[in-house]
Amino acid sequence: NAGVMQNPRHLVRRRGQEARLRCSPMKGHSHVYWYRQLPEEGLKFMVYLQKENIIDESGMPKERFSAEFPKEGPSILRIQQVVRGDSAAYFCASSPKTGAGANVLTFGAGSRLTVL
Amino acid sequence: GQNIDQPTEMTATEGAIVQINCTYQTSGFNGLFWYQQHAGEAPTFLSYNVLDGLEEKGRFSSFLSRSKGYSYLLLKELQMKDSASYLCAVEDSGYALNFGKGTSLLVTP
Repeated sequence: NAGVMQNPRHLVRRRGQEARLRCSPMKGHSHVYWYRQLPEEGLKFMVYLQKENIIDESGMPKERFSAEFPKEGPSILRIQQVVRGDSAAYFCASSPKTGAGANVLTFGAGSRLTVL
Repeated sequence: GQNIDQPTEMTATEGAIVQINCTYQTSGFNGLFWYQQHAGEAPTFLSYNVLDGLEEKGRFSSFLSRSKGYSYLLLKELQMKDSASYLCAVEDSGYALNFGKGTSLLVTP
């Protein structure tokens, strides 16, 4: 039973380019979360999605960042016109259900974005 | 707002016991989680507390006091492989876990 799969594991982009990070949740999980981890910082919540729906995007920067979780295929975190401050590890996590106490997240290994 | 505090670094000796504290102030509370993260790897779930008291799971135990906004993770019989970051996270009234900055634990011989 494969865990949460993220790719690419490492991505290098130049300023102004686009970055696309993909996440396939665990089998049977329909809830996906994206977190960002900066050096020496904690995991910061970005967005929570279910299939075809964005449930909570309160942690997403207002510009350049978007996320989707289509009916078929992986969830995608898209960063347009990247800047150096976007360099970070982006972690995807999934869970099987919502509700109080049902939020045990299984994390992927992360995608490390470096912006030159 | 959210405020989750834990020490930045700790050092302990192989075979010893270490306690990692976490204090929190959050809007709403639905549970507290501890995760372990080795450098360059994914965080992995260790424990969950929603009621006051101690939850024991092998060498790891976690304690919660909701009235004090306080939790600790207790690691016994430390092994070298326990060197990692330990992340305290609170599930508030929203949809996502809110994480502290993590405590980097170094286990020395």
